Amino acid sequence: DAGITQSPRHKVTETGTPVTLRCHQTENHRYMYWYRQDPGHGLRLIHYSYGVKDTDKGEVSDGYSVSRSKTEDFLLTLESATSSQTSVYFCAISESDRGSDNSPLHFGNGTRLTVT
Amino acid sequence: GDSVTQMEGPVTLSEEAFLTINCTYTATGYPSLFWYVQYPGEGLQLLLKATKADDKGSNKGFEATYRKETTSFHLEKGSVQVSDSAVYFCALSEGGTYKYIFGTGTRLKVLA
Repeated sequence: DAGITQSPRHKVTETGTPVTLRCHQTENHRYMYWYRQDPGHGLRLIHYSYGVKDTDKGEVSDGYSVSRSKTEDFLLTLESATSSQTSVYFCAISESDRGSDNSPLHFGNGTRLTVT
Repeated sequence: GDSVTQMEGPVTLSEEAFLTINCTYTATGYPSLFWYVQYPGEGLQLLLKATKADDKGSNKGFEATYRKETTSFHLEKGSVQVSDSAVYFCALSEGGTYKYIFGTGTRLKVLA
């Protein structure tokens, strides 16, 4: 068990409101990731982090920002939610300190976000 | 760029049937390959992995062999059960980078 907790598990919000999703790990892994999962698209990387205050963009980062002020917490913020951001969001960690290497990703149970 | 292609689902099988889910990849280097399984309402769980050519990953009766010559990593199981009904994702990672690339997933439904 990689000890990953995502909160909230479900969220309904209105268009234009800010939303923050939280990912917490009980280990001290360096690399953390935020993905979104949509039918027909699989998992797409939003942002990732390789240490405290060290983050970078993934393939679908527009409209999202992230922060990592502590090793164990990685926050994803939708500054002004839109209906296109309705999705299931997954946090993941890599056991490798060098990023992907040969280590698999371990996933949280996801946050289902609905933007109305 | 790197990519993973897996067969579209859904795949519907009767219990005890043989399962194959095809996965092919493109990569510039020597990636590690993974199969993940996702049950309803849950995150992805690692099912098996292989880190170099000709490696065979196996777990819970599932197997996949890393075939560099055909750039494939097909998932197989000799006799599926209703409890295997889930979505299966093929993925790769390039060593020394942050990147993990996922396929679009294949839904498996096993009927009793």
